[in-house]
Amino acid sequence: AQSVTQPDIHITVSEGASLELRCNYSYGATPYLFWYVQSPGQGLQLLLKYFSGDTLVQGIKGFEAEFKRSQSSFNLRKPSVHWSDAAEYFCAVGEPGNTGKLIFGQGTTLQVKP
Amino acid sequence: DTEVTQTPKHLVMGMTNKKSLKCEQHMGHRAMYWYKQKAKKPPELMFVYSYEKLSINESVPSRFSPECPNSSLLNLHLHALQPEDSALYLCASSQGFRASGELFFGEGSRLTVL
Repeated sequence: AQSVTQPDIHITVSEGASLELRCNYSYGATPYLFWYVQSPGQGLQLLLKYFSGDTLVQGIKGFEAEFKRSQSSFNLRKPSVHWSDAAEYFCAVGEPGNTGKLIFGQGTTLQVKP
Repeated sequence: DTEVTQTPKHLVMGMTNKKSLKCEQHMGHRAMYWYKQKAKKPPELMFVYSYEKLSINESVPSRFSPECPNSSLLNLHLHALQPEDSALYLCASSQGFRASGELFFGEGSRLTVL
């Protein structure tokens, strides 16, 4: 069965520093890959997604992610973090040819220090 | 209009009460979802409606009863809940029920069962 692992439960970075959130998936082929963000008390918002093609995808709010097939990874990056980026980040996987169900990772809590 | 609207935002109910959560979207999406989210956990899929028909029920207890009166509305009827059902209930929609579909989430209804 497919699975998604976010190895880092909690990450703290200083404002202005760079950020990388890790995501590893387990699936036989290339799945559909997503990153969602959830601010406190809010629903989830899609940051970016990867289906095929260029392995570096750009998203909203200055985020980008790189798909690496050899490492089964889809890590999220941002060159300079803002205090408003403090939130919960979820990586998710959808199986092509299967139902529309998404498999979510456990999430990474990002704290931003002033 | 890219919003999914959920009401009420907060709900407190006793174990013998009957209440309903409501969700509305006007994006023309044909798939609608109910998720349950506990604190610091990813959303857990409960139900999926596709073209107003129940497509997925993730073995949810019968004290939760979904209803999709039309393509824009989704309700979740609650009856005889348990304290462990206290959680954030998220509604989402997508253009269609497929693995590549972006989910648009509402802000959620925070439910407390006393």
